[in-house]
Amino acid sequence: AQSVTQLGSHVSVSEGALVLLRCNYSSSVPPYLFWYVQYPNQGLQLLLKYTSAATLVKGINGFEAEFKKSETSFHLTKPSAHMSDAAEYFCVLGGTGNQFYFGTGTSLTVIP
Amino acid sequence: DVKVTQSSRYLVKRTGEKVFLECVQDMDHENMFWYRQDPGLGLRLIYFSYDVKMKEKGDIPEGYSVSREKKERFSLILESASTNQTSMYLCASIERANTEAFFGQGTRLTVV
Repeated sequence: AQSVTQLGSHVSVSEGALVLLRCNYSSSVPPYLFWYVQYPNQGLQLLLKYTSAATLVKGINGFEAEFKKSETSFHLTKPSAHMSDAAEYFCVLGGTGNQFYFGTGTSLTVIP
Repeated sequence: DVKVTQSSRYLVKRTGEKVFLECVQDMDHENMFWYRQDPGLGLRLIYFSYDVKMKEKGDIPEGYSVSREKKERFSLILESASTNQTSMYLCASIERANTEAFFGQGTRLTVV
């Protein structure tokens, strides 16, 4: 079965601090993994994606994620949080066929 | 630069009304999806379509139907709106499996 688990539905960090959002996946086939961001009352937009070319993936706005097969993880990080990073973040697993499996989301709060 | 457009950002409908949510994409994508988003539940797939006039049920199709008469347009229909269908509805499209999904801005539907 394919699934995604995001650990922590709410994360708070101080401005300038490290951002770490956790994602673990379960997949019986080599996974395609994505991180999306959703700002209030907006749709989702792609931050980055893993497609097996490289385990460390760099995305937009200074975010990056590392694929670790042994840990079945794809955690999202950013060295220094900015106020504009406050949003909902979704880890997504590409499934067989054309379906996607979404995590339940992590709401990031940035404290000034 | 708009790629996926949903016809309404906010809708208020009465219980029992028939509701149409429209989604149009300009990328010539084969695959289109309707999700609903609720706090703590993430995104749940209602229906998807992989070609004109083709549709597949997702995880929560009850109370909904869809229409795909043209490639660029995918409509979600609530046959008889109920209060438990109050939610954020998101439309998405992808070119093929495991590629980036493009989302509309979302429609926040309130059923009173």
